[in-house]
Amino acid sequence: NAGVMQNPRHLVRRRGQEARLRCSPMKGHSHVYWYRQLPEEGLKFMVYLQKENIIDESGMPKERFSAEFPKEGPSILRIQQVVRGDSAAYFCASSRTRQASSYEQYFGPGTRLTVT
Amino acid sequence: DAKTTQPNSMESNEEEPVHLPCNHSTISGTDYIHWYRQLPSQGPEYVIHGLTSNVNNRMASLAIAEDRKSSTLILHRATLRDAAVYYCILRDLSNFGNEKLTFGTGTRLTIIP
Repeated sequence: NAGVMQNPRHLVRRRGQEARLRCSPMKGHSHVYWYRQLPEEGLKFMVYLQKENIIDESGMPKERFSAEFPKEGPSILRIQQVVRGDSAAYFCASSRTRQASSYEQYFGPGTRLTVT
Repeated sequence: DAKTTQPNSMESNEEEPVHLPCNHSTISGTDYIHWYRQLPSQGPEYVIHGLTSNVNNRMASLAIAEDRKSSTLILHRATLRDAAVYYCILRDLSNFGNEKLTFGTGTRLTIIP
């Protein structure tokens, strides 16, 4: 059973370009989360999605950032008009259910975005 | 989610047990105690979780104080591969929409060969 897959693993963008980060959850998982880790900082929650729905986007910057998890295909985190401060590692996690007794999140290897 | 307090760093010798403490004095009755770890240049990895009773799995043990205000993650025999940042996280899943993980600064564990 393949784990959470993220691509690309490394992404370099110039200021003002768009960045698209993809996440394929584990088989059978319908909940996806995105987290961001700035250099030398901890992980911060960005957004929680279920298929075709955004459940919690309390950690998403108000501008330039958007996320989707369509009925078919991977979840996409999109950053428009990137700035140097967007340089970070972006991690995706997935889970099967929100049942408390077995509710671990499985993380992907991350996408390291560098804005030049 | 209630706050947790962990030491910034710890060191341990290889093949010895490691006890990683976590204080959570404001824990509520519906908070589960979760532990994750992040190895260098990797995504976080689930380790263990519990509510009131001590828990064991193939990776570690979790000892929870009787008043639940603190807990300890126990690695029974540390290896070099256990060098990571360990996060203690409280999760209250009683309300829909509360599923996110709130990471603190964690404890950076160094294993000495």
